[in-house]
Amino acid sequence: NAGVTQTPKFRVLKTGQSMTLLCAQDMNHEYMYWYRQDPGMGLRLIHYSVGEGTTAKGEVPDGYNVSRLKKQNFLLGLESAAPSQTSVYFCASSYSTGANSNQPQHFGDGTRLSIL
Amino acid sequence: DQQVKQNSPSLSVQEGRISILNCDYTNSMFDYFLWYKKYPAEGPTFLISISSIKDKNEDGRFTVFLNKSAKHLSLHIVPSQPGDSAVYFCAAIRGVRIGGFKTIFGAGTRLFVKA
Repeated sequence: NAGVTQTPKFRVLKTGQSMTLLCAQDMNHEYMYWYRQDPGMGLRLIHYSVGEGTTAKGEVPDGYNVSRLKKQNFLLGLESAAPSQTSVYFCASSYSTGANSNQPQHFGDGTRLSIL
Repeated sequence: DQQVKQNSPSLSVQEGRISILNCDYTNSMFDYFLWYKKYPAEGPTFLISISSIKDKNEDGRFTVFLNKSAKHLSLHIVPSQPGDSAVYFCAAIRGVRIGGFKTIFGAGTRLFVKA
């Protein structure tokens, strides 16, 4: 029972390089999310998707792009990495489509990304 | 503008005693509040939640209290165990026009339970 799987787990990039983080979920969830976690700031939403083929901006979308070509996958791209994007990135998924619900998000184990 | 605040970065408690983690929020439109627990090198996992129309929800050793007038949420762990040592995130959900709902997380509180 894999749940939410993120690859890679660690990566070091040089400034200006590009890369894609992959998230896969096997729970048939409609909603998927990408967060970044920085010290003292909790989890901040980068982009999210409410279904296959859809994406939307979150709280801190600048410098990132996403794609949801298949329901089970949600990709996060950095076109030109900057040191300010050094962070731990978490992917999550959930069923809920409404606010009147406590349907929790299921998280992957994170990707630690360092930009030199 | 932090709508969900966890003002204590860390908390240390003796095994067997009560742990109380606090969370304050500013937006009275939140519909649900959740607590997540996070171990090092793992993602957060859901722990317990409470609807905004309730003031208490209990699940085993974990109880969440909601004080709407004070816009304050707390998680009580009784009795605390060493395995409870983790970072605890408070989160709040409210409805939004696009996407249906939005979840906002606090910065987290690191709990140390000493044996």
